[in-house]
Amino acid sequence: EDKVVQSPLSLVVHEGDTVTLNCSYEVTNFRSLLWYKQEKKAPTFLFMLTSSGIEKKSGRLSSILDKKELFSILNITATQTGDSAIYLCAVEASGNTPLVFGKGTRLSVIA
Amino acid sequence: NAGVTQTPKFRILKIGQSMTLQCTQDMNHNYMYWYRQDPGMGLKLIYYSVGAGITDKGEVPNGYNVSRSTTEDFPLRLELAAPSQTSVYFCASSYFVDSPLHFGNGTRLTVT
Repeated sequence: EDKVVQSPLSLVVHEGDTVTLNCSYEVTNFRSLLWYKQEKKAPTFLFMLTSSGIEKKSGRLSSILDKKELFSILNITATQTGDSAIYLCAVEASGNTPLVFGKGTRLSVIA
Repeated sequence: NAGVTQTPKFRILKIGQSMTLQCTQDMNHNYMYWYRQDPGMGLKLIYYSVGAGITDKGEVPNGYNVSRSTTEDFPLRLELAAPSQTSVYFCASSYFVDSPLHFGNGTRLTVT
């Protein structure tokens, strides 16, 4: 059975801290791994990772995939209160299969 | 609890046909959402509902309609299927607006 496990489930940090969110997966015929940020209404897409060792970066956020060890990390540097959200990891397998989502990590950034 | 249940899992439509994607949840969640995911893209919100009788457009509502007559059900209607609607459709629900989403397993739709 395909599964995605995120850790920690919740995290509280102070503004300016750096955080690392983890996502490990077990899926047959892996195609890609996706990160989403879920705020008020709906998750918004952050990154799609398909190749090992290639960092994707957007501002203070970055992510990397390790296909050998079957995990990905999402880093957020110099956190701000606006980073408070639930971060979802999902894995896509090839073939007619839907995304498999992790349960998410709830990040709270306090001033 | 079954969670969020979507049917069908797969469907192939001809251009101009119509169909309804079914979504039901048994968690008494107030909020329900329909997303589509195109290859290589993230989720895009089609419609959402904050409770029975209330629906609102998301990012890509054109070509779709929804209704929310009960808390449990949130069907998505395609009236005149077009190739651009070929996608994987996810239904999701949450209790509060900022609660984690519970997703269904998706419906893969192909319009030819």
